[in-house]
Amino acid sequence: DTEVTQTPKHLVMGMTNKKSLKCEQHMGHRAMYWYKQKAKKPPELMFVYSYEKLSINESVPSRFSPECPNSSLLNLHLHALQPEDSALYLCASSQPDRGIYNEQFFGPGTRLTVL
Amino acid sequence: GENVEQHPSTLSVQEGDSAVIKCTYSDSASNYFPWYKQELGKRPQLIIDIRSNVGEKKDQRIAVTLNKTAKHFSLHITETQPEDSAVYFCAAPRYSSASKIIFGSGTRLSIRP
Repeated sequence: DTEVTQTPKHLVMGMTNKKSLKCEQHMGHRAMYWYKQKAKKPPELMFVYSYEKLSINESVPSRFSPECPNSSLLNLHLHALQPEDSALYLCASSQPDRGIYNEQFFGPGTRLTVL
Repeated sequence: GENVEQHPSTLSVQEGDSAVIKCTYSDSASNYFPWYKQELGKRPQLIIDIRSNVGEKKDQRIAVTLNKTAKHFSLHITETQPEDSAVYFCAAPRYSSASKIIFGSGTRLSIRP
C-alpha cells in the first residue's frame, strides 16, 4: 500500500463548530506532516510529527490542534476557525533518515470551507 | 532569509517542444531537491528528485540538473504532451533552524495543442 488517505474529502463548517481531519498511511513511514494550501499557492507546512512526537509547529494558531495517536494515523482537530482558514489541507508522510530527506507522499487533501 | 525562488510563474509551450523551470535556493546545506507536479484538484506528486552528489538525473522525458556552486536547479521536460499541463513545484530542505522542505512558488505549465 503506497497511499496516504484522508477523510473527509470536503468539509464545510461554521466558526463555532469543532471538527477533525483524519490521515492514514500504511507504508511504515515514521514522519507525518500537515500542510495548508491556498489556491494558486504552494503547500505551507503546519506541523511535523517524527516517531509520533511533534517535532515542528510552524507557529500555527491554537485553533488547529494536531494529534498522532499511532504511527499510522494523524489527526487535525479544528475549533473556532475563521473564514480565512478555508483551504486545502494536505497530509503527507515520509521515512525519516538522519540527515537524509526522502520522498514525501501526499494524501488527496481535505477541502475545508469555513462559513 | 532562507527560501526557494522559482521562475517562471507561468509557462506556455507548444506540444512537442521543451519546457524548462528554474529554482534557486539559499541554504548551502541543502542536499535534496525534489520536483512535484500538481494537477488541478489533485495532490502534489513527486516526479523526480536529485541529491547533491550528482549533477543531473533523467527519467524518460524528464530531467533535473543541479548546480551546487550557483545554488540553482532546473526541471527539463522534453517532447511535451497535453498531460504535462499542471502546476510544478520545486523544493529544498531548510536546515538552519528546523529540518523541513521549503516549496517554491510554483509554475503553471500549459501545453498548447
